[in-house]
Amino acid sequence: EPEVTQTPSHQVTQMGQEVILRCVPISNHLYFYWYRQILGQKVEFLVSFYNNEISEKSEIFDDQFSVERPDGSNFTLKIRSTKLEDSAMYFCASSRLGQDTEAFFGQGTRLTVV
Amino acid sequence: AQRVTQPEKLLSVFKGAPVELKCNYSYSGSPELFWYVQYSRQRLQLLLRHISRESIKGFTADLNKGETSFHLKKPFAQEEDSAMYYCALSPFQGAQKLVFGQGTRLTINP
Repeated sequence: EPEVTQTPSHQVTQMGQEVILRCVPISNHLYFYWYRQILGQKVEFLVSFYNNEISEKSEIFDDQFSVERPDGSNFTLKIRSTKLEDSAMYFCASSRLGQDTEAFFGQGTRLTVV
Repeated sequence: AQRVTQPEKLLSVFKGAPVELKCNYSYSGSPELFWYVQYSRQRLQLLLRHISRESIKGFTADLNKGETSFHLKKPFAQEEDSAMYYCALSPFQGAQKLVFGQGTRLTINP
């Protein structure tokens, strides 16, 4: 069964450094998403991406964040200058186009900012 | 504003007992409601959605628009039902985001 794959599973970075979280969505899916979950809190929507552009983003997704689909298979989330409060589990998800809004989630990347 | 509330962070029941995980939502439109489940060391996955009106693994959920609730129920709990359960809302059909509740950790005792 096809799965969404995320790498790395755990990333530790120093405050102020740039990080790139990587995701390989399911191959015939056309919508891609990033969510995050700070420890003990809700899973929060960050951004959705379709047809090589952002279709929706939350207020969390400020100028420090960017997304890209550089090569037709990977989908990346970049945080330019990490802060301590960016420490969280980041989930990538994908879904088929149309009315099927079932999202298939990756295993997550745990980002720890020190 | 869209909000999903799961009032119980933890729920513990005995095997064979009925289970009800509560979910209330706040949204003025006609949302789609989902239950996602995360078993130990596994990824978040869809359990069921109100629009399909299915029963999955013995679980059902009925959308009550008057009470703005979407409670998840199972008549006889099994040990393999132990997991984290998240209620989620999509603001409209075809919307491309989910708003999640806090989640309820369900533990089934033998």
